[in-house]
Amino acid sequence: AQSVAQPEDQVNVAEGNPLTVKCTYSVSGNPYLFWYVQYPNRGLQFLLKYITGDNLVKGSYGFEAEFNKSQTSFHLKKPSALVSDSALYFCAVRDGRNTGFQKLVFGTGTRLLVSP
Amino acid sequence: GAGVSQSPRYKVAKRGQDVALRCDPISGHVSLFWYQQALGQGPEFLTYFQNEAQLDKSGLPSDRFFAERPEGSVSTLKIQRTQQEDSAVYLCASSLRAGNTEAFFGQGTRLTVV
Repeated sequence: AQSVAQPEDQVNVAEGNPLTVKCTYSVSGNPYLFWYVQYPNRGLQFLLKYITGDNLVKGSYGFEAEFNKSQTSFHLKKPSALVSDSALYFCAVRDGRNTGFQKLVFGTGTRLLVSP
Repeated sequence: GAGVSQSPRYKVAKRGQDVALRCDPISGHVSLFWYQQALGQGPEFLTYFQNEAQLDKSGLPSDRFFAERPEGSVSTLKIQRTQQEDSAVYLCASSLRAGNTEAFFGQGTRLTVV
């Protein structure tokens, strides 16, 4: 069974500084990895995904994530944080062993707080 | 519509009452998922449809939970005899097809059982 760990409940960063939100995963087959963001009273919004190819994936709003197979990690990064990036971030994994249905398994989320 | 639409946004139910939550997926999306998100937790998988076929219902917590998608578009999640532990946000998501495509989520229905 697949699982995701987000070791930090909250990450604090000053506006303009780089940010990293950590994620590690466990899956039997090849991982399909996703990051979603959740603003208050809003649904989950897709940020980016890794399926195959380049380990550095670029997504929405200037976010990127680096897939590291040896460390089974998929950390979310942004070079310069904005106050508006403050939200709840979820990492998710799907087992990519086949092209059919595989459920998404989510981490418990990391709250990002960017201070002015 | 442009996105996944869920109704109602908020529902307060008395313990023992039956509730029905509606999801309108993005037009043309084959796959539809229901997730349950408890306070302070990540979404937990409930069930999956591919068109009208319910291919996985392994996440439904009890036989009080029932989901359907009779025409392969709109889906309804029904909870019978609601209990306090059913209080959560119920999220619906759709994706163009199964496999490696990303899922798009609705805003959710916040269910409070009193």
